[in-house]
Amino acid sequence: NAGVTQTPKFQVLKTGQSMTLQCAQDMNHNSMYWYRQDPGMGLRLIYYSASEGTTDKGEVPNGYNVSRLNKREFSLRLESAAPSQTSVYFCASSGYGGAYGYTFGSGTRLTVV
Amino acid sequence: AQRVTQPEKLLSVFKGAPVELKCNYSYSGSPELFWYVQYSRQRLQLLLRHISRESIKGFTADLNKGETSFHLKKPFAQEEDSAMYYCALSGSARQLTFGSGTQLTVLP
Repeated sequence: NAGVTQTPKFQVLKTGQSMTLQCAQDMNHNSMYWYRQDPGMGLRLIYYSASEGTTDKGEVPNGYNVSRLNKREFSLRLESAAPSQTSVYFCASSGYGGAYGYTFGSGTRLTVV
Repeated sequence: AQRVTQPEKLLSVFKGAPVELKCNYSYSGSPELFWYVQYSRQRLQLLLRHISRESIKGFTADLNKGETSFHLKKPFAQEEDSAMYYCALSGSARQLTFGSGTQLTVLP
């Protein structure tokens, strides 16, 4: 099925550990995004990539890094996890400048203890 | 700067009653507005876009530029409509800014 695939679905980290969240899309979209979802705060943009080879900070980039590996893949890395990064992370992609909205992945539920 | 406000965190209605989920936005240009729905522990799904003026699952939303609003409406709520609803705005940078969401519960 076409869409956005995220791995892993669940993860528990200890404070200070690092990990990479993977995201891949097969819709030939140019733009990809990482959001975090927290209760009462909606979705907040962490980083985005408007096209292959470019990445930019969003609203809440601190503590994260990203890599646009190719047109299909966009990964999010936590170098030293903190409890404040406990959240649900969603990857999304869009084509046509986002005119038709974004397609979201199923999310990664991350807990940092 | 672009901003989306959903004033109601929680909204409960009875089955068959009309429902309106409020969304107000702040943006200096011409925005593109969307409603997304998230059923329990599932991914966000696009519900509708203002530019298409469509009705999906009985829901409609009209952009009111004078009031800077994009409220989502349905005349007769169903239990399967229970979900989290997010209003979102896309500005010139083509990034979606989301509101904080409204959890809709349709009671039997």
